[in-house]
Amino acid sequence: AQKVTQAQTEISVVEKEDVTLDCVYETRDTTYYLFWYKQPPSGELVFLIRRNSFDEQNEISGRYSWNFQKSTSSFNFTITASQVVDSAVYFCALSEARLGDDKIIFGKGTRLHILP
Amino acid sequence: ETGVTQSPTHLIKTRGQQVTLRCSSQSGHNTVSWYQQALGQGPQFIFQYYREEENGRGNFPPRFSGLQFPNYSSELNVNALELDDSALYLCASSFYRTSGSRQTGELFFGEGSRLTVL
Repeated sequence: AQKVTQAQTEISVVEKEDVTLDCVYETRDTTYYLFWYKQPPSGELVFLIRRNSFDEQNEISGRYSWNFQKSTSSFNFTITASQVVDSAVYFCALSEARLGDDKIIFGKGTRLHILP
Repeated sequence: ETGVTQSPTHLIKTRGQQVTLRCSSQSGHNTVSWYQQALGQGPQFIFQYYREEENGRGNFPPRFSGLQFPNYSSELNVNALELDDSALYLCASSFYRTSGSRQTGELFFGEGSRLTVL
C-alpha cells in the first residue's frame, strides 16, 4: 500500500537559517512519482516539484533543493536561507501513476514557521 | 494564482443535508480532481473526472458524487452530510494527454471550499 510519512509536524526556525523537511514513502510499485506542494494560509496547494522514480538526481531551484534517495525511500526538501514568506504547510506526496489515474497520496504535512 | 476557481468559499450545513461545490478549471485543462482535506491532515483523493466521466476514485462512499461539464468545469455533490464531512474541499485541474507522455501530478489547485457540518 502507498504511504507518505512526514514525521515533523511543526518546525520553527529563525529567518536566514537552513531547514530540511523530511519525507519517507512506501510503495510496492517500481514506477512512481514524488511531489512537494506548499500550502500558504490562503489554502491553495502550490506545486513545487515532481520527481519520477527513475531519476535520482538531486535538484536545486533557487533556495530550494531536493534529495531523493531510493535506498532509504526518502525525498527530503531543504530551504536555504529561509525567509518569512516560506512560512506555510508543506506536503510531500506520492503517485503510482497508471494510465488514467492521477490519485496522489499526501503526507500529513509539516507546518513551517520562519521567525523574523 | 492558478486560474482554478471554486465556489462557495465557505458554507455551513447541518447533518443530513446535501451540498454542491463548484469548480472552474484552468483554461486549457481537461481533467478535474477533487480532494478532501480535514483539519491538520493532508488532502485525500476523492475522485477525478476526464471527458465527463469518473476516471479514478478514492475511498469515499457513493454519497460523494461528481459531474464534469463540456467546458471542463466540475461539481462535487455530497448527500446525507455527516459531521466528519467538515473539511476543506480542494479542486485541482490538469491537462491529460491521450497519447504520448503524460504529465502526472502537475495539478493546479483552487483555494478550496470550506464546509462546516453542524
